[in-house]
Amino acid sequence: RKEVEQDPGPFNVPEGATVAFNCTYSNSASQSFFWYRQDCRKEPKLLMSVYSSGNEDGRFTAQLNRASQYISLLIRDSKLSDSATYLCVVIGSSNTGKLIFGQGTTLQVKP
Amino acid sequence: DVKVTQSSRYLVKRTGEKVFLECVQDMDHENMFWYRQDPGLGLRLIYFSYDVKMKEKGDIPEGYSVSREKKERFSLILESASTNQTSMYLCASSSTGYPSTNYGYTFGSGTRLTVV
Repeated sequence: RKEVEQDPGPFNVPEGATVAFNCTYSNSASQSFFWYRQDCRKEPKLLMSVYSSGNEDGRFTAQLNRASQYISLLIRDSKLSDSATYLCVVIGSSNTGKLIFGQGTTLQVKP
Repeated sequence: DVKVTQSSRYLVKRTGEKVFLECVQDMDHENMFWYRQDPGLGLRLIYFSYDVKMKEKGDIPEGYSVSREKKERFSLILESASTNQTSMYLCASSSTGYPSTNYGYTFGSGTRLTVV
């Protein structure tokens, strides 16, 4: 079983739609959680951290469910520019801060 | 603007060659990482370093070695390149202070290596 699992998609949605991605992780001792965004042929960039209480950044909302060991990302009012691959990322219990990446979920927003 | 710089964007090498991939960061970060990214497999950690002259194996270290002689530079070495090492290689750095609210990696723009 992979340490971090995501549905690779692709998710094809129209502009203005709301779309949600889920991600599950296997290590219950995992400490920190993130969503990264990766555009085609570019490097991953931090989109947002995920906090236990849930957090929002504009049209993006991240949630963490420790009991079920999953995190989610909700995108409201999708824009064409949201088209990208979204990587779910987890830090284990190690203090070296090693990040473990899911394989990513591809989102394609269409006009 | 903080930066992680990888020396080459595209590289073509022959089987059996020794290949050096260089990465430099200007953020005074303690931790540096080398990943490779392949379709369907995501990012896989090859090696990481949390201090000068320190190195730790990641998940797929076979066929690779690393060097960290200075804090800002982390080199990945393919001792004898093989076709299954054709991939996108990504370097990243981060500061110590785990876990911090804004903790995350800064990635370089990647080196697409083709071994023929």
